[in-house]
Amino acid sequence: NAGVTQTPKFRVLKTGQSMTLLCAQDMNHEYMYWYRQDPGMGLRLIHYSVGEGTTAKGEVPDGYNVSRLKKQNFLLGLESAAPSQTSVYFCASSLRPGSSYEQYFGPGTRLTVT
Amino acid sequence: AQKITQTQPGMFVQEKEAVTLDCTYDTSDQSYGLFWYKQPSSGEMIFLIYQGSYDEQNATEGRYSLNFQKARKSANLVISASQLGDSAMYFCATTRGYQKVTFGIGTKLQVIP
Repeated sequence: NAGVTQTPKFRVLKTGQSMTLLCAQDMNHEYMYWYRQDPGMGLRLIHYSVGEGTTAKGEVPDGYNVSRLKKQNFLLGLESAAPSQTSVYFCASSLRPGSSYEQYFGPGTRLTVT
Repeated sequence: AQKITQTQPGMFVQEKEAVTLDCTYDTSDQSYGLFWYKQPSSGEMIFLIYQGSYDEQNATEGRYSLNFQKARKSANLVISASQLGDSAMYFCATTRGYQKVTFGIGTKLQVIP
């Protein structure tokens, strides 16, 4: 099992450009999440999905969109990148939300917006 | 709203000694979970241990134990017999349901040979 994979690992964007980050999991998990990690702020939840075809906003959703067309994939889109979106982005998945089912994380994507 | 407080930005511990990483939380929920994750310099997030709010016994996973004091809203991580490979960032998190996942800002642990 590959677990949770993220594509790409690194990306540099110019302000106003768009891009999509891909997250894939092969554990048949129902729930998937996108976080961003900034220095001194821990991880913050951007969007999450409770199943194929469903998405919902997390703590910091502005400037991002997501889609979950297939159970194994969760896409994070930036329509018009801003320097404030420079961050490390983590995808995670879990069998069930919260409770005793821990989240499995991908390796992260380091995004720089200039 | 949920909140996690980790007051130790950095900690040092001698190899083979035990160390406690502090975590306090604030939540109005009756049912919640507490997690600890490890993030080595390579960047991945590694699950360490879980404690449910209704669990009466402290959780343990190998060299990791969670010192859960519900009345004080405290969920400290204890690492026994520290190893060089334990040097990393450690994050405490609380969650009830997928929409209330809150992480602390982390504690950087350095193990000294």
